[in-house]
Amino acid sequence: QVQLRESGPGLVKPSQTLSLTCTVSGGSISSGSYSWSWIRQPAGKGLEWIGRIYTSGSTSYNPSLKSRVTISVDTSKNLFSLKLSSVTAADTAVYYCAREGYSSGWQLDCWGQGTLVTVSS
Amino acid sequence: DIQMTQSPSSLSASVGDRVTITCRASQTISSYLNWYQQKPGKAPKLLIYGASSLQSGVPSRFSGSGSGTDFILTISSLQPEDFATYYCQQSYSVPFTFGGGTKVEIK
Repeated sequence: QVQLRESGPGLVKPSQTLSLTCTVSGGSISSGSYSWSWIRQPAGKGLEWIGRIYTSGSTSYNPSLKSRVTISVDTSKNLFSLKLSSVTAADTAVYYCAREGYSSGWQLDCWGQGTLVTVSS
Repeated sequence: DIQMTQSPSSLSASVGDRVTITCRASQTISSYLNWYQQKPGKAPKLLIYGASSLQSGVPSRFSGSGSGTDFILTISSLQPEDFATYYCQQSYSVPFTFGGGTKVEIK
């Protein structure tokens, strides 16, 4: 049973870079035809898809965040990461990592528990 | 970006009720539509993918239908554990956008 767990600072100062890691356990990040995604959710609001990465290194990003986002993968450590630069209070949210599988389209079939990141000085 | 609109944004229902939630896409997305359930403080959970396929382990009282731009999630007989917020998501084109959510509350 694959499990995902987010980790990283819970508090980031404005204008700095938010960095999170998602560690995959219970299976290899390289096995199967999956992509690995980041999604966020401000308190009391809906879900926003940030982007994804294949283990080949190929990425897709939300255009609304593309200029500030980098997603990378380290197959040797079975993890993938998110960097979001020049953060503001609007980036305060619970950040989830998730696995995207493909069956009749892409779907987020396995999620981490989420981690709250607050942007504040 | 494809806009996803859910209705209603909230509803009140009783245990045993049949509940339907609608999701409309701003352009055709074929059957590339997923439904998720989220309980407070928890990550979303995949219920339905490909508009109508039930994810493994999800009770059969959940069903999905639709194609093109209009989709429906149906809970045939609402159970106490089904009170939650439900989101649709299109996977037709990047970015994979979500609907605004439908909160199902106890009447």
